[in-house]
Amino acid sequence: LAKTTQPISMDSYEGQEVNITCSHNNIATNDYITWYQQFPSQGPRFIIQGYKTKVTNEVASLFIPADRKSSTLSLPRVSLSDTAVYYCPPLGGGYNKLIFGAGTRLAVHP
Amino acid sequence: GAVVSQHPSRVICKSGTSVKIECRSLDFQATTMFWYRQFPKQSLMLMATSNEGSKATYEQGVEKDKFLINHASLTLSTLTVTSAHPEDSSFYICSAPSGGGTDTQYFGPGTRLTVL
Repeated sequence: LAKTTQPISMDSYEGQEVNITCSHNNIATNDYITWYQQFPSQGPRFIIQGYKTKVTNEVASLFIPADRKSSTLSLPRVSLSDTAVYYCPPLGGGYNKLIFGAGTRLAVHP
Repeated sequence: GAVVSQHPSRVICKSGTSVKIECRSLDFQATTMFWYRQFPKQSLMLMATSNEGSKATYEQGVEKDKFLINHASLTLSTLTVTSAHPEDSSFYICSAPSGGGTDTQYFGPGTRLTVL
């Protein structure tokens, strides 16, 4: 299963756009790219999922280059409540396993 | 999104006792569910895959006799921590794929286990 690499931490300010990049060099052909948000003492919350190019929903955008070896989660106009850990586990087609990397700890400041 | 619940949300027990944690998919059926463990300031570690109607599949290094998994129905999986010890204290989280084409996984709120 693909291993992911992300920055350990990031800092931002309210109202800014935040882009978090994930490297997944050995992602399998059938894997989807998923992003989750986790607050302390809570289960991860699904943010967005994609296979290639760009996906947008009401909370975020996901950019995936043609080689799919990385992906970027874009959070527009972050607020204090976006302070959390963000994970990008590939979703394997056959087993549906999610293997989590270390994640990125995002801190949003006033 | 799909809803997954866990019960209890937190439990405190004495060393040597067994603790059962339930994971339910509330608005969809799940033939497969997953159990994770998370220690403070660490990432989620996959423990096992729970399969309805068959035995669970455990990840390397996870003791199957220690962590008993039963997938009783299409909406319920249980994790029993047997003869719990303080080192088993952790945050246990389950997930289930919602079905459909991409099988997006949804997570429960987690269960905080403290073993005294």
